[in-house]
Amino acid sequence: GQQVMQIPQYQHVQEGEDFTTYCNSSTTLSNIQWYKQRPGGHPVFLIQLVKSGEVKKQKRLTFQFGEAKKNSSLHITATQTTDVGTYFCGGTNYKLTFGKGTLLTVNP
Amino acid sequence: DSGVTQTPKHLITATGQRVTLRCSPRSGDLSVYWYQQSLDQGLQFLIQYYNGEERAKGNILERFSAQQFPDLHSELNLSSLELGDSALYFCASSVGGGQSRAEQFFGPGTRLTVL
Repeated sequence: GQQVMQIPQYQHVQEGEDFTTYCNSSTTLSNIQWYKQRPGGHPVFLIQLVKSGEVKKQKRLTFQFGEAKKNSSLHITATQTTDVGTYFCGGTNYKLTFGKGTLLTVNP
Repeated sequence: DSGVTQTPKHLITATGQRVTLRCSPRSGDLSVYWYQQSLDQGLQFLIQYYNGEERAKGNILERFSAQQFPDLHSELNLSSLELGDSALYFCASSVGGGQSRAEQFFGPGTRLTVL
């Protein structure tokens, strides 16, 4: 079945450093979604990527979808303490399969 | 606030028991999804309902069942509970029925503890 792997599992950074999480699928995806879950909170939708090679930006966040539509990345420039949380990618064929997430902690 | 409500917030019960979790989707959303989140397994998709009918099934155990009512609220029934069922259960909703294309709005979750 479809599997979505995310690395790293944990990442601790100093405030101001950059952060990247990677998402890899065992199968070609129709699209990919990214969610953020703050500690003690619920997942919140960030973005959806559909096209091969697509790149989207939201302020300090940059999302990429691979050319083969089997991988994706989320890059945060100059992290802030408000970026703390778990970032999940969800890859879709006919159903959404989430990776286990990357927990980001930021040292002020 | 996503507009999705879930009750109860916390549930503590014993092994072998049965519980019901309830979810009300955002106004206008026809799809409801149920997820189980545990520390070691991440966010696991259980089942989706669209406008009252089952649309997609994930890793849902036979001891678990769900339904969506005419007013679009949904219930997840967990029976013969085991210690390993302790987890956070999220409900999410979306406008359309296509899970692959729809942004999902998550509720605050129900934390189930089985003792």
